[in-house]
Amino acid sequence: EDKVVQSPLSLVVHEGDTVTLNCSYEVTNFRSLLWYKQEKKAPTFLFMLTSSGIEKKSGRLSSILDKKELFSILNITATQTGDSAIYLCASNYNYGQNFVFGPGTRLSVLP
Amino acid sequence: DVKVTQSSRYLVKRTGEKVFLECVQDMDHENMFWYRQDPGLGLRLIYFSYDVKMKEKGDIPEGYSVSREKKERFSLILESASTNQTSMYLCATLGGTDEQYFGPGTRLTVT
Repeated sequence: EDKVVQSPLSLVVHEGDTVTLNCSYEVTNFRSLLWYKQEKKAPTFLFMLTSSGIEKKSGRLSSILDKKELFSILNITATQTGDSAIYLCASNYNYGQNFVFGPGTRLSVLP
Repeated sequence: DVKVTQSSRYLVKRTGEKVFLECVQDMDHENMFWYRQDPGLGLRLIYFSYDVKMKEKGDIPEGYSVSREKKERFSLILESASTNQTSMYLCATLGGTDEQYFGPGTRLTVT
């Protein structure tokens, strides 16, 4: 069964902390791994990763993929209360036609 | 910017009613998806369509059908709504770079 697993499912930190969110996948004909941020509405796209070892960075957020070990991490440095959200990881597989999402990590950043 | 719109943000229907959820995109994307999102279960794929009049079942198609008569419009139909179909429904499109673009979601309550 094609699946994506995320950990932790829930995380509470204080402003300024650095967090690492984990995503592992097991899919057929992997094509890409995607990270999304979801606040009180629809998910918004953060990163797409297709190659191992190449870090993608956007401000305080960064992500990297390991295709050998089948996982990805999302790092957020110097967290802010506005980072509070559910972070979703998804894999695009089967030559691009299928997506499978993980359950998400709920991050709460306290002032 | 890609725009994906959904016909209603909130909907309340009675058990047994036929329910139509509509999704419209303005970016000429071939692939469109319907997901439902439930607490603790993450995003689950109901149906997707890779072209006009073409559709594929996702992970949880039971109780649902879809219609894609025009490229820009993908409709989700609940033939006879049941209380276990109370959920957030998200429509998405897929661009050429593997990025999924989500609509704002429809929160459906079946009483």
